[in-house]
Parts: sequence; C-alpha cells; structure tokens
Amino acid sequence: EAGVAQSPRYKIIEKRQSVAFWCNPISGHATLYWYQQILGQGPKLLIQFQNNGVVDDSQLPKDRFSAERLKGVDSTLKIQPAKLEDSAVYLCASSLARGAEAFFGQGTRLTVV
Amino acid sequence: RKEVEQDPGPFNVPEGATVAFNCTYSNSASQSFFWYRQDCRKEPKLLMSVYSSGNEDGRFTAQLNRASQYISLLIRDSKLSDSATYLCVVPVSGGYQKVTFGTGTKLQVIP
Repeated sequence: EAGVAQSPRYKIIEKRQSVAFWCNPISGHATLYWYQQILGQGPKLLIQFQNNGVVDDSQLPKDRFSAERLKGVDSTLKIQPAKLEDSAVYLCASSLARGAEAFFGQGTRLTVV
Repeated sequence: RKEVEQDPGPFNVPEGATVAFNCTYSNSASQSFFWYRQDCRKEPKLLMSVYSSGNEDGRFTAQLNRASQYISLLIRDSKLSDSATYLCVVPVSGGYQKVTFGTGTKLQVIP
C-alpha cells in the first residue's frame, strides 16, 4: 500500500519569500492533517481537513499560512511571506476516519534564512 | 492544564532495564489514545493503540487510567533499538476529532 507522499523533502528560502508544500494522502483516507514540528518539540496541528472541508484551523497563522484540499484528495500548504521562526518540519498525515490512526509522510524540512 | 502533557526526558536507561512513561490529558471525553514512536529526523509511526482494557505487544504494554486521566507506556527488557522519542496522541472530541500530540519523551538506551 502506498504511503503518504510529500514534496519537496527539503526547502531553503529567504525570509519574506513564499513557499508551498504538497501532500498526497493514502487513497481513501478522508481525514488529512498538516503538522508543524519544530526541533525538539512534538508535532503541532496546523489544520485538519475532513474530505475537502476544514474542521480545525485554530492554530494556523492565517495571516501568512493557507491550505487547501481540492477535490478531497491532494493538499497544499503555503506560507507567504515566510519568517525565520517558520523553520521546521512540515508533516502531512492522513487517516481513514477522524480520530483513527494517522499515517505520516516523511515531511518537508523548511529552513528560512 | 495543557491538552496533553508528557515528561520530555531524556530517560537514559541501560539495556535490559524496564522503563515507563506517562502522558496526562485534560479532556475527559477523549475515547481513543495512541502511542507513536519517532526516530531522529524521521516521521512519527504508530507504536500501539491504547484500549480501556490495556494493550500488550511483546515487550510493550500500554494502559489507560481514566480516573486520573493518564495513559502509560511500559517497555520491558529495553534494547538499543528502542532509543527514540515516544509521543502520546489524544484525539480530542468536540464535534470532530482533533488529534493532539504530546511533546514527546526521549528515551536513550545505553549499552
């Protein structure tokens, strides 16, 4: 079974630039999550989709972060403009249903310089 | 009180030792719980689910204490390969299931 695919694996950008991450969840998984993991901390939920609808984005910095999940499958997370403190690993995960086991992609390691 | 709290450690234990981690949660309505393992610079992967009756898988035992609102993970006969960060996950009910991770407990098994 194919896992959660994310790209790119690594990205280095200058502050104030824009960046986008892509995620393809496991086929049939209705729930998709984007997490931000700063070094030494646990993953922090940024946004949760149920199919193509947002069910939680309370911790998403909406002045600079945006995410969409068109057609309830792939998802993109964008940061515009990036700040130094956005340096982190961005993890995408999917699950068959809300609250069920989540499967993670390998993540995108973002460095903002 | 934070939604999910864990002792960050690190726990440094010798090979063969038994070690236990706790994770406390604040939402008494939470129904299902998980332990994930995260190796350095890798993504989290499910270690085991935590059922009301407890769950055992080889050297690993997970238990739930609803009265005190914590889950625990016990590792017996620690191996070097058990060195990792262990994250507890508590889906928080509220019309939808928001999945909240603890900060993780780092385990280092020493030869």
